[in-house]
Amino acid sequence: NAGVMQNPRHLVRRRGQEARLRCSPMKGHSHVYWYRQLPEEGLKFMVYLQKENIIDESGMPKERFSAEFPKEGPSILRIQQVVRGDSAAYFCASRQGSSSYNEQFFGPGTRLTVL
Amino acid sequence: AQSVAQPEDQVNVAEGNPLTVKCTYSVSGNPYLFWYVQYPNRGLQFLLKYITGDNLVKGSYGFEAEFNKSQTSFHLKKPSALVSDSALYFCAAPRLGRAGSYQLTFGKGTKLSVIP
Repeated sequence: NAGVMQNPRHLVRRRGQEARLRCSPMKGHSHVYWYRQLPEEGLKFMVYLQKENIIDESGMPKERFSAEFPKEGPSILRIQQVVRGDSAAYFCASRQGSSSYNEQFFGPGTRLTVL
Repeated sequence: AQSVAQPEDQVNVAEGNPLTVKCTYSVSGNPYLFWYVQYPNRGLQFLLKYITGDNLVKGSYGFEAEFNKSQTSFHLKKPSALVSDSALYFCAAPRLGRAGSYQLTFGKGTKLSVIP
């Protein structure tokens, strides 16, 4: 039973390019979260999606960032026109139910470096 | 607002000694609390959670956590530390977001170093 998969594990982009991060949740999980971890900091919530729906994007910057979770395929976090401040580790998590006591399972993360 | 705090940035402990990683919470209603561990360049791994019931919760890798309502704490413990326990530990609690969703809010993390 594979866990949460993320790719790529490392991504290097130059300022102004686009970054596309992918996440495949655990089998049977329909709830996906994206978090960002800046160096020496904890994880900060960005966006919560269910299949074909964005439920809560309150933690995601309104400019340049977008997320989707299509009916088929992985969830995608897209960052357009990247800047140096976007350099961080981006983690995807999934869980089976929507209750607050259901634990989330995390992927290995994508480490984005913007040159 | 739901929040958790980890008062220590770093904890050092000798191998074989008991370890404690502290977490305090500020949560309205019944608190649900989680501990996660992050090894270098890896994602977070779930260790244990408190929902209700026994105040002592047992989790993975020999870890346990004690829920204390009067002190609003949920400290992570292990009777005998291993060098392989050296990692970054996060306490977390669900926070109600938009549309009735729940996301996790994390403490800033505590770096545990177990010294051989």
